[in-house]
Amino acid sequence: GENVEQHPSTLSVQEGDSAVIKCTYSDSASNYFPWYKQELGKGPQLIIDIRSNVGEKKDQRIAVTLNKTAKHFSLHITETQPEDSAVYFCAGINSGGGADGLTFGKGTHLIIQP
Amino acid sequence: NAGVTQTPKFRVLKTGQSMTLLCAQDMNHEYMYWYRQDPGMGLRLIHYSVGEGTTAKGEVPDGYNVSRLKKQNFLLGLESAAPSQTSVYFCATETGGYGYTFGSGTRLTVV
Repeated sequence: GENVEQHPSTLSVQEGDSAVIKCTYSDSASNYFPWYKQELGKGPQLIIDIRSNVGEKKDQRIAVTLNKTAKHFSLHITETQPEDSAVYFCAGINSGGGADGLTFGKGTHLIIQP
Repeated sequence: NAGVTQTPKFRVLKTGQSMTLLCAQDMNHEYMYWYRQDPGMGLRLIHYSVGEGTTAKGEVPDGYNVSRLKKQNFLLGLESAAPSQTSVYFCATETGGYGYTFGSGTRLTVV
């Protein structure tokens, strides 16, 4: 099945600066890469995703880039704000396709310092 | 429209006791999943279902059973709880195009 590695486990940035979280995956056939944000006491929420036919996708202050050759993808958050503080998870599709579930990275705790 | 509802939200069990966690969805989604979340381990797939009456094992299925008798409900059972099953359990449905909607979780402590 898919193996997803995520770094760093903790990231502290000053408010207004940018944050970058990186993930690598093992299955070269994977074609879908979502990012989830989990706030304290809540379930993860999908914030952005990318499919393997594009290299970059943006949504306001959030962007995701994909490098299929190197098998890695990254989440970029610009102009960070206090409400960006949360745990972020990347994921990849398991070998059976979307029905078989996602494999998640171990998470990055993003801390926005005022 | 409640989305994905998990009950109970919190539970404390004694070792050897049994319990059932309920996941209910009102979005008519075919695919449903149970994950557990442990510190430093991320989310790990326990069992999943691709439709009413179907179930399949995920990455960490041992000690758990599931049932999907109705399309809207996915039940996770612990027959004989162990301290290693202390965790936060999340149910999710696949919304189409592989995106998930998660419930708010069940925090289970086994003493």
